[in-house]
Amino acid sequence: EDQVTQSPEALRLQEGESSSLNCSYTVSGLRGLFWYRQDPGKGPEFLFTLYSAGEEKEKERLKATLTKKESFLHITAPKPEDSATYLCAVPWAGGTSYGKLTFGQGTILTVHP
Amino acid sequence: DGGITQSPKYLFRKEGQNVTLSCEQNLNHDAMYWYRQDPGQGLRLIYYSQIVNDFQKGDIAEGYSVSREKKESFPLTVTSAQKNPTAFYLCASSIVAGPFYEQYFGPGTRLTVT
Repeated sequence: EDQVTQSPEALRLQEGESSSLNCSYTVSGLRGLFWYRQDPGKGPEFLFTLYSAGEEKEKERLKATLTKKESFLHITAPKPEDSATYLCAVPWAGGTSYGKLTFGQGTILTVHP
Repeated sequence: DGGITQSPKYLFRKEGQNVTLSCEQNLNHDAMYWYRQDPGQGLRLIYYSQIVNDFQKGDIAEGYSVSREKKESFPLTVTSAQKNPTAFYLCASSIVAGPFYEQYFGPGTRLTVT
């Protein structure tokens, strides 16, 4: 069974203090990975799709990277508005996947001014 | 603007009552999904549908039912058989093409059953 684990569960940073969030997975063959941002009380907002090991994607202060066993979301010089829960998800392996996703439990990021 | 709408945003029901959550999308996506989110947990798939008049159970379908009579709509009914229905419910949609594809989410409905 696919498992997706995110660490840390919560991360508190000072504004401008760069750091990384981790998403590790045990899946039967890498099929790619998604990152989402979720603000309190709202639906997740799509950030990135990573298709293969070695791939990197960037958006403003965020950079996502992917290896065969894990993905990192690097946050450079974060601002308070980057505070949110960040979720990663991998496609299901079974048969006709049809886009079904297994989500990690999320990392709650808080950036203090 | 294209997007996914869910209504209502907050819903309160008494135990033993069935309740239906609405999900509509104008993205022309073929696939639609329902997830449940509980505090400290990731999203768990309840039901999904790839095409009109067809849907499949996800991980936690017990106590829930869905219909897909129109491409744009995928309502979820939380029945009295669902033992712990209080949660945040999220609807999503995606295209159906290629090996996998990102899902886009609605704003969610917070259901409280007392």
